[in-house]
Amino acid sequence: DAKTTQPPSMDCAEGRAANLPCNHSTISGNEYVYWYRQIHSQGPQYIIHGLKNNETNEMASLIITEDRKSSTLILPHATLRDTAVYYCIVRIRGGSEKLVFGKGTKLTVNP
Amino acid sequence: NAGVTQTPKFRVLKTGQSMTLLCAQDMNHEYMYWYRQDPGMGLRLIHYSVGEGTTAKGEVPDGYNVSRLKKQNFLLGLESAAPSQTSVYFCASSYGLAEFSYEQYFGPGTRLTVT
Repeated sequence: DAKTTQPPSMDCAEGRAANLPCNHSTISGNEYVYWYRQIHSQGPQYIIHGLKNNETNEMASLIITEDRKSSTLILPHATLRDTAVYYCIVRIRGGSEKLVFGKGTKLTVNP
Repeated sequence: NAGVTQTPKFRVLKTGQSMTLLCAQDMNHEYMYWYRQDPGMGLRLIHYSVGEGTTAKGEVPDGYNVSRLKKQNFLLGLESAAPSQTSVYFCASSYGLAEFSYEQYFGPGTRLTVT
């Protein structure tokens, strides 16, 4: 699975959009981009995934660049409850479904 | 629908003791996983199972054994606990089919301290 690079920490004001970047320059054509988050001490929670098109669900939007070497997770109106560590994971879909977690980005939403 | 549950939530062991962590899921998922998370680190895969009666090694399998005798349960065993196994252990499950396999559901974790 391709390696990802994320900033270790970011801050965001409550009510504003949080934009979390992820670089995955070695991604291959059949690898998807997944985002999970981990709120303090809890198990990780799936947010969204995509292959090459932009995706949106009730939690967030995922913007993938045309060359697929980077992506951005967007939380449109961040709340204090969105404070968490966000993990960007790149992997082939199917098979054993193993996830390889890096250190992620610690997002702090400030009042 | 309880999702993924883990037993126990907390445990303190002495070096050399053994214990079993239980993971249960009620979503009829094929795949189940055990991860460990050390302070300030991401999760690392210990063992996983792609179906009842099958198990496979993950990234950090040494010192652990697993069993999947029933589809809904995945057990993680420590035969002789060591201080290096002090960690938070997370269990997860997923459908395992290509169309539905993108999301892993995680349990609340078990905090294990080995003294």
